[in-house]
Parts: sequence; structure tokens; C-alpha cells
Amino acid sequence: AQSVTQLDSQVPVFEEAPVELRCNYSSSVSVYLFWYVQYPNQGLQLLLKYLSGSTLVESINGFEAEFNKSQTSFHLRKPSVHISDTAEYFCAVILSGGYNKLIFGAGTRLAVHP
Amino acid sequence: DVKVTQSSRYLVKRTGEKVFLECVQDMDHENMFWYRQDPGLGLRLIYFSYDVKMKEKGDIPEGYSVSREKKERFSLILESASTNQTSMYLCASSLRAGKGYTFGSGTRLTVV
Repeated sequence: AQSVTQLDSQVPVFEEAPVELRCNYSSSVSVYLFWYVQYPNQGLQLLLKYLSGSTLVESINGFEAEFNKSQTSFHLRKPSVHISDTAEYFCAVILSGGYNKLIFGAGTRLAVHP
Repeated sequence: DVKVTQSSRYLVKRTGEKVFLECVQDMDHENMFWYRQDPGLGLRLIYFSYDVKMKEKGDIPEGYSVSREKKERFSLILESASTNQTSMYLCASSLRAGKGYTFGSGTRLTVV
């Protein structure tokens, strides 16, 4: 069975520090990979996605993620975080050729401190 | 932009009640999904539908059913609400896999 593992449930960090949120998945078939963000008291928003092509994908607010097929990972990084990045981040996968089911990790709560 | 609307933001129901959660999307998406979100567990798929009148069980379908009579509307039904169904429920829709999902704002259900 396919699964998504987010290795850290909480990540505290100081403002302007770099951060990495780790995500590993298990699947024997091709996948599409996503990061979603949920700000306090809001719904989920798509942050970035990997479908094919370049393994490094970027979002408009400075986050990036790199697809590593050999390590089955899709870690999310930002070189300098802001207070406003405080949120819960979810890694998710869709198996290509299936029913388009999105399978989520348990989430990582990023807390940025001044 | 695609809009996914969940009819209620907060609901409080009594144990044993039949509960309906409604979800409507406005972009003619074939696929619709119901998830529940619980702290430390992420989002877990309850049911999904890839066409009108079609439904498939997700990972945790027990205690739930769904209805999709029209393409734009996907209803989640709790046949007899129990306290362990207290949770945040999220509806989503998608056109196809590569487009990702659009989520509604969620319904926070409390069963007392």
C-alpha cells in the first residue's frame, strides 16, 4: 500500500532562519507530488506540485521542493522564513493512472518565532 | 478560480442523529472527495466519486455514506452520528490528477 510519511510533526524555527520539512513516500508506480499549506482557521491551499520534468519546483512565496526518485522524497525548503509562514504543511501524493486519490501525510506544524 | 462550497462552517449534533454535510463545486469537475482531518493524523479519505451516481470507499468509510445525484454536488451522510465522528470535514474536487485538488473551507462537526 502506498503511504506518505512526514518525518517531523512540529518544526520550531526563528524568523529568517532556513527550514526543511521532510516528506517521504512509498509507491511502486509513478506519482504526482504536492505540498499543501493550511494557515490557522483556514482551508488547505496548494503550495507547489511536481508532475514531471525538472525535479526542483518553486512556489511564489519562496518555498521550493525537490523530487528525489531514488530516495522517494519530496522535501520542502525555504532559505529564510517569516512569521507569516507559521502554518501546517501537508505533503501528498497521487498515483498516476489511478482514481486520482490524494493521499496525505500527517502534517508538519511550522512555528516561526521572532 | 474553482470554488468549493461547504454549506456549514460549524455544526453541533447529538449522538444518534442523521447528519448531512453538503459540498458544491462550480467548475464541472468529475472527481469529488470527502476527507476528515484530525490532529496528528492528517487528512484521511472517507469516500470519493469520479462521476454522477458513482462512489468509491476511501480509507475510513465505516459509519459514513455518500450521495452524488448531480455532478456539482457531493453529500456526506453520517447515518447515526457518534462522538468519535467529531472532526473537521473537508470536501475537495479535481478535474484530473495533475491539476491537484481544490478544497472547501471545511465543516467542523461536534457530536455530543
